[in-house]
Amino acid sequence: QSALTQPPSASGSPGQSVTISCTGTSSDVGAYNFVSWYQHHPGKAPKLILYEVTQRPSGVPDRFSGSKSGNTASLTVSGLQAEDEADYYCNSYTGTNNFYVFGAGTKVTVL
Amino acid sequence: QVQLQESGPGLVQPSQTLSLTCAVSGDSINSGQTYWSWIRQPAGEALEWIGRISTSGSTLYNPSLKNRVTISLDTSKNHFSLELYSVTAADTALYYCARLRNGVMFDVWGRGTMVTVSS
Repeated sequence: QSALTQPPSASGSPGQSVTISCTGTSSDVGAYNFVSWYQHHPGKAPKLILYEVTQRPSGVPDRFSGSKSGNTASLTVSGLQAEDEADYYCNSYTGTNNFYVFGAGTKVTVL
Repeated sequence: QVQLQESGPGLVQPSQTLSLTCAVSGDSINSGQTYWSWIRQPAGEALEWIGRISTSGSTLYNPSLKNRVTISLDTSKNHFSLELYSVTAADTALYYCARLRNGVMFDVWGRGTMVTVSS
């Protein structure tokens, strides 16, 4: 099972929006609405920020939103803030084989 | 607040066994709708799911590691463990433990522990 494809980097100025794509296949992202996103500040524990494509856990700001079309899921961070500078990883349930597949991560820089 | 903390040797010799433990605080390891997982990330690469164990002790492993891995649960100590056998340099990675909720989201993670395989 191949990893999900994410762009290595993305950036935006404070207050702007940035969108990160996560491309899989018809066996993972395209097959299930079980895509989740994680924010990781190096040295800290990764944090769940979206699950089931669009759902936000309690405490996650509504600046974080998700969507999916076909085999590609997306995370949008609106109103960028300095603390949003981090690595972001996507994950999808696959149902078979590996069961869970991740992306290699996207480093978001707030300019 | 649920917290997970990985622990174990940072250096393992090739062909030996990598052993890590994940201590769970703020939640019972017997919680319903919960699985406990190990995930790793070699430098510069994608996260890789290693496997999971249910509260009843049933396990599922990544097929690429299936023959070399065991995940176990210790309810008396509220922790779970990973053993990876016959390690090589390719097993050098940052290893995370995580709580898997409803089988589809990793809602709590540890900070990770770096394991290097080298003689």
